[in-house]
Amino acid sequence: EAAVTQSPRSKVAVTGGKVTLSCHQTNNHDYMYWYRQDTGHGLRLIHYSYVADSTEKGDIPDGYKASRPSQENFSLILELASLSQTAVYFCASSDPGGFTGQLYFGEGSKLTVL
Amino acid sequence: GQQVKQSSPSLTVQEGGISILNCDYENDMFDYFAWYKKYPDNSPTLLISVRSNVDKREDGRLTVFLNKSGKHFSLHITASQPEDTAVYLCAAGDNQGGSAKLIFGEGTKLTVSS
Repeated sequence: EAAVTQSPRSKVAVTGGKVTLSCHQTNNHDYMYWYRQDTGHGLRLIHYSYVADSTEKGDIPDGYKASRPSQENFSLILELASLSQTAVYFCASSDPGGFTGQLYFGEGSKLTVL
Repeated sequence: GQQVKQSSPSLTVQEGGISILNCDYENDMFDYFAWYKKYPDNSPTLLISVRSNVDKREDGRLTVFLNKSGKHFSLHITASQPEDTAVYLCAAGDNQGGSAKLIFGEGTKLTVSS
């Protein structure tokens, strides 16, 4: 049973529209992350969170907001979607207490902005 | 700038040969070094990781070498097989103050030809 689930798995949005990507984990992990994948760029960290009701900026936070209403849930919000935000987005969780460099990833959410 | 860099976007190896994947990093404070494997349309999965207090770790056909003075680590895959064909992402990070963040490289696409 998947421990990190993302929704939607695929979405087409219009430029200027609002997009919310959701992530739910059952790992009981404190840390959650949002990365985006682009060809030639690997995975880039957008936002992360180490406790409910608190989020931190990653390396490319511009144009994105994040929300962590509970330990299990972490959302990525694009208030005004742009063409350049077309990408695959991955959510992940980790256990910082036993951190070994392992992140547990969701299946990914493919976002296309037209 | 790119904190973690994979200079080779692609690599082709004959079946049975040794695949060597390389990664350079900039931050002296990185304490965790990892290699992830990613198939198309799948999420990344951890292959192997090391902490900064070791310079080599073996796990079956996989060996990670860490050169801290050179800010470089590599993944060696012996007896390469067609099913090793995938994108390999290196990652480095630290857990200072419980931040547990990983920064990924751009990825190297490995093709093992039979």
